[in-house]
Amino acid sequence: GAGVSQSPRYKVAKRGQDVALRCDPISGHVSLFWYQQALGQGPEFLTYFQNEAQLDKSGLPSDRFFAERPEGSVSTLKIQRTQQEDSAVYLCASSRNQGGLYEQYFGPGTRLTVT
Amino acid sequence: GENVEQHPSTLSVQEGDSAVIKCTYSDSASNYFPWYKQELGKRPQLIIDIRSNVGEKKDQRIAVTLNKTAKHFSLHITETQPEDSAVYFCAASWSYGNKLVFGAGTILRVKS
Repeated sequence: GAGVSQSPRYKVAKRGQDVALRCDPISGHVSLFWYQQALGQGPEFLTYFQNEAQLDKSGLPSDRFFAERPEGSVSTLKIQRTQQEDSAVYLCASSRNQGGLYEQYFGPGTRLTVT
Repeated sequence: GENVEQHPSTLSVQEGDSAVIKCTYSDSASNYFPWYKQELGKRPQLIIDIRSNVGEKKDQRIAVTLNKTAKHFSLHITETQPEDSAVYFCAASWSYGNKLVFGAGTILRVKS
């Protein structure tokens, strides 16, 4: 079946611009996670949704970062007034999170470059 | 919060040899430990995972062991092949279905 998809795959933004990154999870997956991966590092947790409810946003680095999943499917990560330190790959992962199936499957990521 | 340390940061092996990557975690409440393989520019791919009620799990050439007392777990790849070359990440979660805390990664190079 179709995996997790993300768009755009690449985004270049000038410092101060707003960006919106989209994630389409695997159909039927209840949980959705956003991670940030800096070059040469492991992914770092940003936020987590269970259906449409944002249950954990402890990893969002500042109030410029905002995520939503209004209908419990597609999610959008928005970054306002981008800064150079926001440059990274933003990964989305989804999980069925039911019936003992907790594996997280990742999308290809969006590479954000802030100039 | 949870902290995961991963060693070594780079590992070079000859094709056919075994490779072992080790991780330690800090939170004794962690109970789920997946391993991901990430090729350059690609998404992390889940290759194997283990839960805290199991000490070892195997899948063909890949195995993972868990020592809850010592709070460490390891990935073992036997009969390595050039296509095993990638970055490998370990991770830990304190609750099934919860966020993952990742190690810094190990670059594995398999020389043919």
